[in-house]
Parts: sequence; structure tokens; C-alpha cells
Amino acid sequence: AQKVTQAQTEISVVEKEDVTLDCVYETRDTTYYLFWYKQPPSGELVFLIRRNSFDEQNEISGRYSWNFQKSTSSFNFTITASQVVDSAVYFCALSEAYGNTGKLIFGQGTTLQVKP
Amino acid sequence: GAGVSQTPSNKVTEKGKYVELRCDPISGHTALYWYRQSLGQGPEFLIYFQGTGAADDSGLPNDRFFAVRPEGSVSTLKIQRTERGDSAVYLCASSLSAGDEQYFGPGTRLTVT
Repeated sequence: AQKVTQAQTEISVVEKEDVTLDCVYETRDTTYYLFWYKQPPSGELVFLIRRNSFDEQNEISGRYSWNFQKSTSSFNFTITASQVVDSAVYFCALSEAYGNTGKLIFGQGTTLQVKP
Repeated sequence: GAGVSQTPSNKVTEKGKYVELRCDPISGHTALYWYRQSLGQGPEFLIYFQGTGAADDSGLPNDRFFAVRPEGSVSTLKIQRTERGDSAVYLCASSLSAGDEQYFGPGTRLTVT
């Protein structure tokens, strides 16, 4: 069965600190996709990144970076120089790739609070 | 362009009543998903449509839940004989096709009293 675990329930940092959100997944599939979504206090889920299981290259987008390690089944998310606007709940998610519906299996989420 | 829209944003109903929740996906997106999110939890999959057909309804909790997408665009999630345990935020998402990134609507907060 597929499963996503975000062990950190809540993280609190001071603005400008770097912070890493952990995500560990389980799947029997050899091909799958991994995602990160942000859910700000307004409630609407915002897509951040989609990663194919064959592409282990790390990705950087501005202050955001993602570290995908198939060997440890992890897909961690780092925010550099955090800002108050980064405060939100962040979800990691997994979906199958082939013969699939694209349905997302979400982790429990990590609440990030960035204090000024 | 316009994102995914959902109506109503809030719905309060009495136990035992019937409710309909509507989702209007991004134009051109063939895949449509319904999820349910309880407080403090990640969204849980309910049903997936590819075009007009429900390709995967394995997440529907029981036969009180039903969803349609008759013209391959707007979808309606229907809940019969609502129970207090149905209270949650119901999220709709769409994507170009299955497996692509999904874009979520703002959700409908359902409260069953």
C-alpha cells in the first residue's frame, strides 16, 4: 500500500532561518510521482512541485529547494531564508504513474510558523 | 485564467438531510478529483473522473455518497442522509490528465448539525 509520512507535526522558526520539512513515502511501484502542496491560512491548496520517480536531480526554485533520495524514500523540502508569508501547512503527496488515476495520497502535513 | 471554483463555500445542514456540492474545474482539464479534508488531516481521495465517467470511486466511504460529471466539465458531489461524521471540507481538484499536477479549489466546508 502507498503511504506518506510527515513526522514533523509543527515547526516554528524565526524569519530568515532555513527550515527543512521531511517527507518519507512507501510504495511498491517503480514509477510514481511526488508532490508538495502549500495550504496557507486561507485554506486553498497551492501546487509547489511535481517530481517523477526517475528524476532524482534536486530542484531549486527561488528560496525553495527539494531533495529527492530514492534510496531512503524521502522527498524533503527546504525553505531558505524563511519569511512570515511562508507560514502555512505543507503537504507531501504521492501518486502512481502507470495504469493510474492520478489520485494523490497525502501525508498528515507539517504546520510551519515563521515568526518575525 | 480562472481556477477551480466550488460552491457553496459553506454549507450547514441538519443530520439526515441531502446536500449537493458543486465543482467547476479549469477549462480543458479532463481529470477531476474530489477529496475530503478533516481538521488537522491531509486530504483523502474520494473519487476521480476522466471525462464524464467515474474511473475510480474507491474512496467513497459508503453508498450515501455519489458524484456525477454529466458533460465532462462541472461535477456535483451528492451526499444523502447526512451524518455528523460527514462534516469536513470537501475539496475539488482538476488536472489536464491523470498524473499531472492537480489544481485545487477553495473547498466547501460542510457542517452537519
